[in-house]
Amino acid sequence: DTAVSQTPKYLVTQMGNDKSIKCEQNLGHDTMYWYKQDSKKFLKIMFSYNNKELIINETVPNRFSPKSPDKAHLNLHINSLELGDSAVYFCASSLRQTGGAFFGQGTRLTVV
Amino acid sequence: QKEVEQNSGPLSVPEGAIASLNCTYSDRGSQSFFWYRQYSGKSPELIMFIYSNGDKEDGRFTAQLNKASQYVSLLIRDSQPSDSATYLCAVNIGRSGGYQKVTFGTGTKLQVIP
Repeated sequence: DTAVSQTPKYLVTQMGNDKSIKCEQNLGHDTMYWYKQDSKKFLKIMFSYNNKELIINETVPNRFSPKSPDKAHLNLHINSLELGDSAVYFCASSLRQTGGAFFGQGTRLTVV
Repeated sequence: QKEVEQNSGPLSVPEGAIASLNCTYSDRGSQSFFWYRQYSGKSPELIMFIYSNGDKEDGRFTAQLNKASQYVSLLIRDSQPSDSATYLCAVNIGRSGGYQKVTFGTGTKLQVIP
């Protein structure tokens, strides 16, 4: 019974392509996040949604577009992929009140 | 100044010793504090959270918070080789509208030597 699941786990694609990563949580949390972890292992927040509403949008290029069809799902679509987008992308969820986030297993994106 | 700062390590301790991991944060309005453990190639795992000044104990782990000094620490007693991982400090910074943003430090790599 995976609490936060994201697919795919690995994604290798060429520059210029468009790709999506999907995330689902079954914890009943009201807040979901996308984080990016770069090669230096720094974990940086990209987006946060609360009950399907975008509440945090850090300085992320417009090529990244999150979508939350309901509070249990948060997807990330990336257009025109660039080499610098290569990283591990983590989905996470939490309750708004507590903030302690539970992470998915990550998607390792490699752009070649 | 970074919002959340940690020494990157590696911090090496012998098996059975106490490992002490430290974190400082810049925003005095920060309200809640978390410690995550991340094994190589895995996702971060929440191991402790603390909201009030003082100590909070859970098994071999103790989180300590000092809001006046803007300092939070994690002590691991009786360190085991399986504790070898990167420990991430995260701080929940209050924002308008009641929504909060969790900001992570760069992590401290802990090595427990058998």
